[in-house]
Formats: sequence, C-alpha cells, structure tokens
Amino acid sequence: ETGVTQTPRHLVMGMTNKKSLKCEQHLGHNAMYWYKQSAKKPLELMFVYSLEERVENNSVPSRFSPECPNSSHLFLHLHTLQPEDSALYLCASSQDVGFKQYFGPGTRLTVT
Amino acid sequence: SQELEQSPQSLIVQEGKNLTINCTSSKTLYGLYWYKQKYGEGLIFLMMLQKGGEEKSHEKITAKLDEKKQQSSLHITASQPSHAGIYLCGADIQGAQKLVFGQGTRLTINP
Repeated sequence: ETGVTQTPRHLVMGMTNKKSLKCEQHLGHNAMYWYKQSAKKPLELMFVYSLEERVENNSVPSRFSPECPNSSHLFLHLHTLQPEDSALYLCASSQDVGFKQYFGPGTRLTVT
Repeated sequence: SQELEQSPQSLIVQEGKNLTINCTSSKTLYGLYWYKQKYGEGLIFLMMLQKGGEEKSHEKITAKLDEKKQQSSLHITASQPSHAGIYLCGADIQGAQKLVFGQGTRLTINP
C-alpha cells in the first residue's frame, strides 16, 4: 500500500542532532497521527491532528515537536533525543478522527 | 495492567495448522480493529468489528467480536508462511479518547 508514505525509512542520529521525520498521505484524509513503537511495548499514540490542528498530545516530551502544514503532510521534528527514544515511529491517517486508520511503513530511529 | 491484552504474546505453529489469537479489554469495547505488521514495518489493516457477535472473514482469517466478554478472537485456518508476522488489535474502549492497542502477538509459521 502506498497511501501513506514516510521518509526516511531509517535514521541514525546523535543526541545533539536535529532531524525531522516526514509523513505524507495521498488518501484525502483529514486526520493524521504519530505513534511510537518500542520493543515489547504496545503502540503509543503521540500526537493527533485533525484538519491541521493538534487535537491530542499525550504528554510527549518537548524534544519531539510535530508540525502539520496541511492535511496531507505531517512532520515530527526531533532534537536532543535520548537513547531510549530509539524506536519505530509510525504515521497514520484516517478520514476523520475515530475512523479506520491507515499506517505508513514507519521510520526506524536509532539514537546513539 | 494494560487496557487491551493479547494472548498469546508469541505463537509458533506448523504450516497448515489452525490457530487463534485473543484480544481482551478491561473495559467496554465500542469497536475493534485487527492489524498485521511485518517486523519493523507499518501496520496493514485486516478487519474492523463494531457490533457484538459480528464476525468477518478475509481469505483464511476470521475475526469475531464478543461484546459481553469484551473480547475479540482472530482465527487463521490452514496457516501458511505468508501469515507470519505480528498481529495487533486496536480498540475504541470506554473512557479512552483514542484508539488503544494491545502489545501484539508474534506469529511464526514453521514449514
């Protein structure tokens, strides 16, 4: 499926770096999501955007900064991350909040 | 404890055998989704169940929702190597403003 794309697929960054993850959806959806998937933990919702406005922020540290410039694009800006932030970051979109979510392939992030 | 528990956490079956994965909620379920994930990749939507007693099938995979038990089961018949992966249930549950997920079940199919 190519409805939701994420770049890069893999990212290795140092603790002092600044990088951004990008998500793009080609489905005409109004809602977009960032999830974190760590080893042996359930999928954790980080941010929800509906019509480019943030509607949920689940107590995510400020070193993660989302940006939604339009309903098709979602970014996750990263700075001064910790090794425990290493995980698979998944983007998803849905027609609206509460509807079936379609996931991107994820970005595997390693913080050294 | 987690709001959504999956069992088993991992499962190894012989090719051709049937298997069942369960997803149990500690609260009332309003809708349940099953996803499949290949290791390190995104989630692929399998099925959505919204009504108690609802049962859906896709090829050799069948999912049921038991509202009274606050549980869903995913059943695979005559398993194939292509069924291998991680199966995740996600649900709209009472009191939660967002979709919550189980911890996943890792399925391995041995030839």
